[in-house]
Parts: sequence; C-alpha cells; structure tokens
Amino acid sequence: AQSVTQLDSQVPVFEEAPVELRCNYSSSVSVYLFWYVQYPNQGLQLLLKYLSGSTLVKGINGFEAEFNKSQTSFHLRKPSVHISDTAEYFCAVILSGGYNKLIFGAGTRLAVHP
Amino acid sequence: DAGITQSPRYKITETGRQVTLMCHQTWSHSYMFWYRQDLGHGLRLIYYSAAADITDKGEVPDGYVVSRSKTENFPLTLESATRSQTSVYFCASSDRWGEATESFFGQGTRLTVV
Repeated sequence: AQSVTQLDSQVPVFEEAPVELRCNYSSSVSVYLFWYVQYPNQGLQLLLKYLSGSTLVKGINGFEAEFNKSQTSFHLRKPSVHISDTAEYFCAVILSGGYNKLIFGAGTRLAVHP
Repeated sequence: DAGITQSPRYKITETGRQVTLMCHQTWSHSYMFWYRQDLGHGLRLIYYSAAADITDKGEVPDGYVVSRSKTENFPLTLESATRSQTSVYFCASSDRWGEATESFFGQGTRLTVV
C-alpha cells in the first residue's frame, strides 16, 4: 500500500532559524511529490513539486525540497523562517497514472516564535 | 469571481439529516475532488471525478454521494449525517492535461454534526 509519513506533527522554531520538515513515502510504483501549505482558516496552496529531473526543487516563499530516491524521502527546508511561515504543511504524492489523486501525510504544524 | 468556491463555509446539522456541500470552479478543469481533513489524518480522498458524469470512490466514500452533471459543479451529499462525519471538507480541481498537475483547493466547509 502507498503511504506518506510526516515524521513530526509539530515543529517549533525561532524566527530567522533554519527549519526542515521531514517526509517519507512508500510506494511500489513511481510517484510525483508535493508540498502544500495551509494557513489558518484557508485552503491548501502548492509550495513546490517534484515530477522529474533535478532532485533539488525550489518553491515559493524561499522553500526548497530534495528528492532522495534511495531513502524515499522528500524533506522540506527553509534557511531562515519568518513569523508568517507559521502554518500547517502537508507532504503528498500522486501515483503515476493516478488521475491526479493526492495521497497526503498527516501534516506538520510549523510554529515560528519571535 | 474566478477560482474554486465552496458553500457553505460553515454548517451545523443534526444526526440523520441529509446535507449537501457545494463546489464550483470556473477554470473548466476536468478533475475534481472531495477531501476531508481530520486531525492526525491529513486530508483523505472521499470521491473524485475525471469529467462530467464520471465519478469514482476514493479512500473514505462510505456515507457520501456525489454527482457531476456539469463540468464546473461537484456537490457532495451526506445522505444521513453521523457525528463521525464532523470534519472540514475541501473541494479541489486540476487540469487533466499533463500528468500530476497542481490541484487548486477551495476554502473549505467546516461541518459539525450534532
């Protein structure tokens, strides 16, 4: 069965510190990888995605993620966070041939403190 | 307004009642999806549609019914609401052209079943 595991349910961090949100997946078929962000009382917004090519993917708001096929991971990083980055972050996959259906992890709540 | 809109934003209903959540998109996207968001589970797919009059079950379809008579609308009906269906519901759409294209999400409907 395919699954997505976000290893931390909550990540507290101080403003201007670096952060890494971890994501691992398991699948018997090829996958496409995504990170979405959800700000309070809003829908989800795409941060970045990996379809193919370079394993380092840059997204919006200074975020980047690296696809590691051998470790089946797709960790999200930002070198310096802002208060405005406080949100819920979801890692998700689409299976190859999967009609764009997203399979989500449980989410990581990033709390940035002054 | 262009985009994807859900209505109502908030709904309280009683156990056993039928309730319909509406979703409308203006992009003429082929794919549409309904997800529910619950703490500790992330978002889980309820139903999806590849085109008008084509729908299929997702991960958690029991107790829900969908229809798609027009490309732009994808209503979700709870035939007899139960407390376990208290959740935040998100509608999403994506273009079918190109594999693993981005999904665009509505603002969500917070449903409480009492």
